[in-house]
Amino acid sequence: DTEVTQTPKHLVMGMTNKKSLKCEQHMGHRAMYWYKQKAKKPPELMFVYSYEKLSINESVPSRFSPECPNSSLLNLHLHALQPEDSALYLCASSQVPSGGVMETQYFGPGTRLLVL
Amino acid sequence: KNEVEQSPQNLTAQEGEFITINCSYSVGISALHWLQQHPGGGIVSLFMLSSGKKKHGRLIATINIQEKHSSLHITASHPRDSAVYICAVRSFYGGSQGNLIFGKGTKLSVKP
Repeated sequence: DTEVTQTPKHLVMGMTNKKSLKCEQHMGHRAMYWYKQKAKKPPELMFVYSYEKLSINESVPSRFSPECPNSSLLNLHLHALQPEDSALYLCASSQVPSGGVMETQYFGPGTRLLVL
Repeated sequence: KNEVEQSPQNLTAQEGEFITINCSYSVGISALHWLQQHPGGGIVSLFMLSSGKKKHGRLIATINIQEKHSSLHITASHPRDSAVYICAVRSFYGGSQGNLIFGKGTKLSVKP
């Protein structure tokens, strides 16, 4: 099983709503990632979790709150978003990179978010 | 200047043509990835390279570490190859936690 699943596939929310994006993998990967991708742009790294602990936060606004409840699940909690946060949110997982060991990141299909 | 540059930005080809997409980078890397993104959004990892050449089906990826350059080749292209192809590198200096630096992508359209 080399699949990363994300739910929901599409999400429309108002600026006062609270919603969550979910990501799941069963490949035994202990590194999980959230990326944001605007139209016609490459993905931008938001957060990295390593062994269920937040290891990288790329200066993401606090209205995005990640959570890694266990080694298979990664959530992104959304609150008080702005229209400019509308984007494709991609989750990925990999073995934990270390030293010279390379890893392949496996990406989920993404959640397309529209903030009205 | 971006740390990862891809060319061309857009590419239109006829079915059956041989296609080359180029990627140049300016940082020291531990690995280079070629990714494929279809219009629906999902990203598939095609190759991960640190040296030499890899082949998978009609796809071939090469890397020249000294010249900091990689190429992705598609032989006998097909309309289903139409997608955005993204080059991403993992920098030695980007931390040890999978900090990929992405190119802007090459949008490939293969016409029947």
